[in-house]
Amino acid sequence: DQQVKQNSPSLSVQEGRISILNCDYTNSMFDYFLWYKKYPAEGPTFLISISSIKDKNEDGRFTVFLNKSAKHLSLHIVPSQPGDSAVYFCAAGAGTASKLTFGTGTRLQVTL
Amino acid sequence: SAVISQKPSRDICQRGTSLTIQCQVDSQVTMMFWYRQQPGQSLTLIATANQGSEATYESGFVIDKFPISRPNLTFSTLTVSNMSPEDSSIYLCSVEGSGGYTFGSGTRLTVV
Repeated sequence: DQQVKQNSPSLSVQEGRISILNCDYTNSMFDYFLWYKKYPAEGPTFLISISSIKDKNEDGRFTVFLNKSAKHLSLHIVPSQPGDSAVYFCAAGAGTASKLTFGTGTRLQVTL
Repeated sequence: SAVISQKPSRDICQRGTSLTIQCQVDSQVTMMFWYRQQPGQSLTLIATANQGSEATYESGFVIDKFPISRPNLTFSTLTVSNMSPEDSSIYLCSVEGSGGYTFGSGTRLTVV
């Protein structure tokens, strides 16, 4: 049972345009959501998080939107840069210091 | 945020042998998490390690196969025992920090 789903395994976006990565979850106990970026041969790097009391969190070029009623979150990257090319994982947790459940990842390719 | 040193970064092992992976954190942390990422799949939590107590294992993972040590608040090891080719994966440790979780750089294990 995949509680966190990233239905798009890959996404290609032109440099300067917006990248939108989507994530759906099924467990209504999740109250904390995170996005990670992973380059090959490296561990995941934390990007941005959002708690269930918010519906938007912004950090520079990265914005995460949470739609609790739809159990859906998205990561917007604008403007997209070639260095953003990586695999992006969304993750969800229930309560602080809880285990994280990860999606399967979306490979983003930002083209020139 | 915490900095994690994980080693080895990669290894090729014979089936039936064991490999111990180490994670050293530059600050004291209560909980450390061990994950596995099998080829083409998401990160899956193996166990949560608290200092001074037995690790808590997720469904599908057992202590005999993945013994964990947590001798102090900055260090943990995960052993992959009696390895088979199905254990070929990336193994990562993680700790919770401000704003999110920090991951080690991962250990890429190939069992032949």
